[in-house]
Amino acid sequence: DTGVSQDPRHKITKRGQNVTFRCDPISEHNRLYWYRQTLGQGPEFLTYFQNEAQLEKSRLLSDRFSAERPKGSFSTLEIQRTEQGDSAMYLCASSHQWVGNTIYFGEGSWLTVV
Amino acid sequence: ELKVEQNPLFLSMQEGKNYTIYCNYSTTSDRLYWYRQDPGKSLESLFVLLSNGAVKQEGRLMASLDTKARLSTLHITAAVHDLSATYFCAGKLTSGTYKYIFGTGTRLKVLA
Repeated sequence: DTGVSQDPRHKITKRGQNVTFRCDPISEHNRLYWYRQTLGQGPEFLTYFQNEAQLEKSRLLSDRFSAERPKGSFSTLEIQRTEQGDSAMYLCASSHQWVGNTIYFGEGSWLTVV
Repeated sequence: ELKVEQNPLFLSMQEGKNYTIYCNYSTTSDRLYWYRQDPGKSLESLFVLLSNGAVKQEGRLMASLDTKARLSTLHITAAVHDLSATYFCAGKLTSGTYKYIFGTGTRLKVLA
């Protein structure tokens, strides 16, 4: 069990560019979450997948953000037309619906928009 | 919506001392999580508390849950420098959502 894997770990992009982050959850975890964390704050919920279905999306998420989990395994989070306010750490987490209650977080993807 | 508040926000303590971090939440939550985060790192799960009166202990850390008071505590016994980190609690409404709400964290510094 290698844990939740995220890629890239760091991304610097120019304002207006699109970025995509990938998350590979722990094998057989059917629940997948995306969170965003800025310095000095707790993680903020972005979206939730159960298998391939996106069941919940934060109202704070603008139309520039989209997430997919096409086959119920890995997930991608895309940010279009990035803004400086998007600079944050994007965290992916996974859990198993029926086995245990722990939610495991990945190492995060740091985004800096310049 | 569920609101989660932690206090204190910052805590500086001497090695060997005991202290408690408090996590208050605004409405019924069906579970309460505690996480640890080191600077620049991700979140490490510490405890999952599922029912009123639940108490869990791991090493120098002990967490408890009082659902009637909407309060969880993380107690640190005989602190050591390695416990220096930021601690977060998180809860979720009982139904209708999969969104976990995190507190703003308690930044703990244990002085040698």
